Amino acid sequence: GDSVTQMEGPVTLSEEAFLTINCTYTATGYPSLFWYVQYPGEGLQLLLKATKADDKGSNKGFEATYRKETTSFHLEKGSVQVSDSAVYFCALSAGNNRKLIWGLGTSLAVNP
Amino acid sequence: NAGVTQTPKFQVLKTGQSMTLQCAQDMNHNSMYWYRQDPGMGLRLIYYSASEGTTDKGEVPNGYNVSRLNKREFSLRLESAAPSQTSVYFCASSVDSRSYNEQFFGPGTRLTVL
Repeated sequence: GDSVTQMEGPVTLSEEAFLTINCTYTATGYPSLFWYVQYPGEGLQLLLKATKADDKGSNKGFEATYRKETTSFHLEKGSVQVSDSAVYFCALSAGNNRKLIWGLGTSLAVNP
Repeated sequence: NAGVTQTPKFQVLKTGQSMTLQCAQDMNHNSMYWYRQDPGMGLRLIYYSASEGTTDKGEVPNGYNVSRLNKREFSLRLESAAPSQTSVYFCASSVDSRSYNEQFFGPGTRLTVL
């Protein structure tokens, strides 16, 4: 069945460091791919998405490119800030069931 | 524009008690969802409603029931709470259930069952 695998956390970085959070997927057909972010004590909110191969989603300095050949959707940011400390979830949606399949989340802590 | 609202924010129940978690959205969305979030398990779908008048089971429906009261409201009921239902519950909505549509989440309900 469809699945999403994210790198395990926690990830701890210093401010202005480069961030990569890996996400790979298994899916039949042509999934849409998402990154959601959950700030402490809040619900999830969409960070970016891509709906077809080679699309790049971007928002708030974060980027991810839909790579069908490597079935990946890695999240990157060139210079993280303390305010980026949160849990990041990769997810896919595919097929007739139209439900989101979630990764387990990766916790990011950014120190000043 | 409140988005997705959930009540209550926190709840403590004893084993065997019942309760209903309320969810409402003001974005005129057709589809609504209930998830639970547990450490190390990520988000798991309990039930969803693709449109008003329809509901379907997700991954973990046992011990729960839902009602899509109208287009705005989607409630989750625990008939006889168990400690295994201790979790954070999130309601979400989307324009419709097509795969590329963003889901909007409420702030969550933190439930503890003793």
